[in-house]
Amino acid sequence: AQSVTQPDIHITVSEGASLELRCNYSYGATPYLFWYVQSPGQGLQLLLKYFSGDTLVQGIKGFEAEFKRSQSSFNLRKPSVHWSDAAEYFCAVEAQGGSEKLVFGKGTKLTVNP
Amino acid sequence: GAVVSQHPSRVICKSGTSVKIECRSLDFQATTMFWYRQFPKQSLMLMATSNEGSKATYEQGVEKDKFLINHASLTLSTLTVTSAHPEDSSFYICSAAQGIGANVLTFGAGSRLTVL
Repeated sequence: AQSVTQPDIHITVSEGASLELRCNYSYGATPYLFWYVQSPGQGLQLLLKYFSGDTLVQGIKGFEAEFKRSQSSFNLRKPSVHWSDAAEYFCAVEAQGGSEKLVFGKGTKLTVNP
Repeated sequence: GAVVSQHPSRVICKSGTSVKIECRSLDFQATTMFWYRQFPKQSLMLMATSNEGSKATYEQGVEKDKFLINHASLTLSTLTVTSAHPEDSSFYICSAAQGIGANVLTFGAGSRLTVL
């Protein structure tokens, strides 16, 4: 079965510092991968997605992610974090191609220090 | 952009009562909606797939008699937690698909259910 692992439960960075959130997946075929952000008490907002093609994907709010098949990873990065980026971040894989069913990781909570 | 509205955002009920949560796609039609449950500091767990005009498809381990799902129109799906108990307290989130594939999913803001 498909699974997503986010090894870091909580990460704290200083404002202006770079950020990398890790995500590893387990999937037999070419995965459809996603990163979502959830602010407190809010739903999920799609940051970016990877389906095929260029393995470096650009998203909203200055985020990017790189798909590395050899490492089964899809890490999220941002060169300079803003205080407003503090939130919970979820990596997800589509359970079956075209099914719209998502399997989520447990999330990484990001705290940004001034 | 696409908007999905959930109502209520917060609800508190007594044990044994039933609670209905609505999920509406405001500016698009959604033949498929999904209901997730999120425990504190946990991931989202898919509960069921709601299909307009047909019965919902439940994930393994989800009690279909406990969590009733109705998708009566292309813009509305409802989740009813029947005979709620404290262990049903959770954050419930819906998502709606504008087309085929998860790339067109829009999530609601979630509904916090507290059962006393």
